[in-house]
Amino acid sequence: DAKTTQPPSMDCAEGRAANLPCNHSTISGNEYVYWYRQIHSQGPQYIIHGLKNNETNEMASLIITEDRKSSTLILPHATLRDTAVYYCIVRVDSGGSNYKLTFGKGTLLTVNP
Amino acid sequence: EAGVAQSPRYKIIEKRQSVAFWCNPISGHATLYWYQQILGQGPKLLIQFQNNGVVDDSQLPKDRFSAERLKGVDSTLKIQPAKLEDSAVYLCASSSPAGGRINNEQFFGPGTRLTVL
Repeated sequence: DAKTTQPPSMDCAEGRAANLPCNHSTISGNEYVYWYRQIHSQGPQYIIHGLKNNETNEMASLIITEDRKSSTLILPHATLRDTAVYYCIVRVDSGGSNYKLTFGKGTLLTVNP
Repeated sequence: EAGVAQSPRYKIIEKRQSVAFWCNPISGHATLYWYQQILGQGPKLLIQFQNNGVVDDSQLPKDRFSAERLKGVDSTLKIQPAKLEDSAVYLCASSSPAGGRINNEQFFGPGTRLTVL
């Protein structure tokens, strides 16, 4: 599995953009980068994923460097409800249409009022 | 759309006792996962089912843990006998090749918090 490295914690002011970095220098050419988050006492929740191009959805933007060795998750206007642990994961195919997620310790993002 | 259901939400047992957790995945989801999350760590995959067959159980401690999904819908995870180090949150997730906003998005339940004394 391609390993990911994330800072253990980050702070962000409410209303500002939160930029969460992830290093995945051993990623293979056909491996996707996924981001999930886990709010306290809840199960993880999918945010976004990408392969090579930058991606945006209603929750966040994902910026992947050209060499694919790192990526940044951007929450454009962080709110208090975005306080959570954010996991950057490289997707490994289990075969067929299935895959497994290998979670690290993630980054605890604290959004401050 | 109903989410992944798990029960019980909390369980306290003494070491060497047995315990079982139940999971009801999202309707129509063929793939079901059980994860173990120890405090301060990310979830760790224990077992993955595709319908009622096991796809991956490489990290399941088979001497004490067992799981089944007999009819390809609900699933049960059992620990017998429990050890102190089994204290964790047990998360169930499901996915479907044709479900979710993207193919294979995993939907997680709220988890069962197990405390072994």
